[in-house]
Amino acid sequence: GAGVSQSPRYKVAKRGQDVALRCDPISGHVSLFWYQQALGQGPEFLTYFQNEAQLDKSGLPSDRFFAERPEGSVSTLKIQRTQQEDSAVYLCASSPGMTSGFSEETQYFGPGTRLLVL
Amino acid sequence: GESVGLHLPTLSVQEGDNSIINCAYSNSASDYFIWYKQESGKGPQFIIDIRSNMDKRQGQRVTVLLNKTVKHLSLQIAATQPGDSAVYFCAENRRRGGGTSYGKLTFGQGTILTVHP
Repeated sequence: GAGVSQSPRYKVAKRGQDVALRCDPISGHVSLFWYQQALGQGPEFLTYFQNEAQLDKSGLPSDRFFAERPEGSVSTLKIQRTQQEDSAVYLCASSPGMTSGFSEETQYFGPGTRLLVL
Repeated sequence: GESVGLHLPTLSVQEGDNSIINCAYSNSASDYFIWYKQESGKGPQFIIDIRSNMDKRQGQRVTVLLNKTVKHLSLQIAATQPGDSAVYFCAENRRRGGGTSYGKLTFGQGTILTVHP
C-alpha cells in the first residue's frame, strides 16, 4: 500500500512568511511524529500525535511552530513568521500504535519537505 | 547530556566487502535501538532493530550487535553493494518514565557509507 506522503516536497519562503507543511500518514496508523532534520544532522523530534491528541510537543523550537491533526489522520505543521534558522527538512513518520508497546513499533518515514527560508 | 552518537562520520568500502558502522550511546536506560538508512532526498528507511535484552540480531545481509557494557551499537553489512551507499543513522527509542511509551526517536549524527564498484 501507499507509504507516508508529504507535501510540498520543496518550499521556498521569504523570511517572515507563514508556511504549512502537510503529512498523509499510512492509512490507519494511530501514531504520527514530526521531526526536523538540519543539513548533515540526524532528525530531531518535534512533536507526537496519538490519533488527534497531541501528546508531546516538547521538541517544537518556539511558539512559532504549531502542529495539528484534527481528524486523527492528516497532519499539518505550521510555521509562522519563518526565520532563516527554520531552513531544514521536515520529516513526518507514522506507526500503527496498535499495541501496548508503542515504543517498539517501526516508524515509517515520508520523503520530507525541504524548507528554505531566504 | 544524553545522546546517541557515531564514531566515524564517513566510511568508504569496495563492493563485496563487509561494512561495519558504529554508534555509541550514553543513556544506560535505553532499551531499544534502531538502524535507519537514508538516501539523498528520501526519508529514513528502517533497516533493523534490537532490544536491550539481546546482544545480536540478524537480518538479510545485516547484523546489529549491542554491547551494553560499553554502550556501543554496530551495524554490519555483508557483501556491501553500491546500492547500500547512503547515510546510516542509529536511533534510540526512549521509553517515557512511569507512563505509556510511544516511540520518540533520538538519532545520532549519521555515517556516510560510500561503496565503490
